[in-house]
Amino acid sequence: AQSVTQLDSQVPVFEEAPVELRCNYSSSVSVYLFWYVQYPNQGLQLLLKYLSGSTLVKGINGFEAEFNKSQTSFHLRKPSVHISDTAEYFCAVSPNTGGFKTIFGAGTRLFVKA
Amino acid sequence: NAGVTQTPKFRVLKTGQSMTLLCAQDMNHEYMYWYRQDPGMGLRLIHYSVGEGTTAKGEVPDGYNVSRLKKQNFLLGLESAAPSQTSVYFCASKGPAGNNEQFFGPGTRLTVL
Repeated sequence: AQSVTQLDSQVPVFEEAPVELRCNYSSSVSVYLFWYVQYPNQGLQLLLKYLSGSTLVKGINGFEAEFNKSQTSFHLRKPSVHISDTAEYFCAVSPNTGGFKTIFGAGTRLFVKA
Repeated sequence: NAGVTQTPKFRVLKTGQSMTLLCAQDMNHEYMYWYRQDPGMGLRLIHYSVGEGTTAKGEVPDGYNVSRLKKQNFLLGLESAAPSQTSVYFCASKGPAGNNEQFFGPGTRLTVL
């Protein structure tokens, strides 16, 4: 079984500041890792994913995440945020063999202030 | 290519009423899912389907039923709505590829009074 913990429920940050949204996971098998973004009153859309290979993954809108297997973490970062990045961000895991279900974290609400 | 669509977008029910939420996808995906989203709880899986004519229970199936008569459609039913079912409901689909990326609909906001 897998589980996902997003360590911050809310992250307020000023525009143009860097941000890190933290995600830890646990799993007895190898996993794929995802970050999804949900803008207000919309569905979730994929921001980036780690399947294999390089542990640094780049996504849309200037976001990137680093897979750390020893710490079982997949933290999301952006060096300079914009007002338009205000949204809820979900970390998610899925088994990389024989699985088709995804476990989502509780979400982190990023609020970018002017 | 509309992706995943959901009908209706909003609905208000009285306790005990029934309704059906419709999800449609035009990507020829085998897997489809129904989630509910509640504050601070992320997305919880209600039911899912691995192909036409198949359904299975997820994490929180009680009070819901589903049907997948056509590959492109996945229906979620509430037979007797309760206030605890007030939530935002999302449908998602996934293709056969192994990376398990899911594609989401825009959601249905349901209020049960």
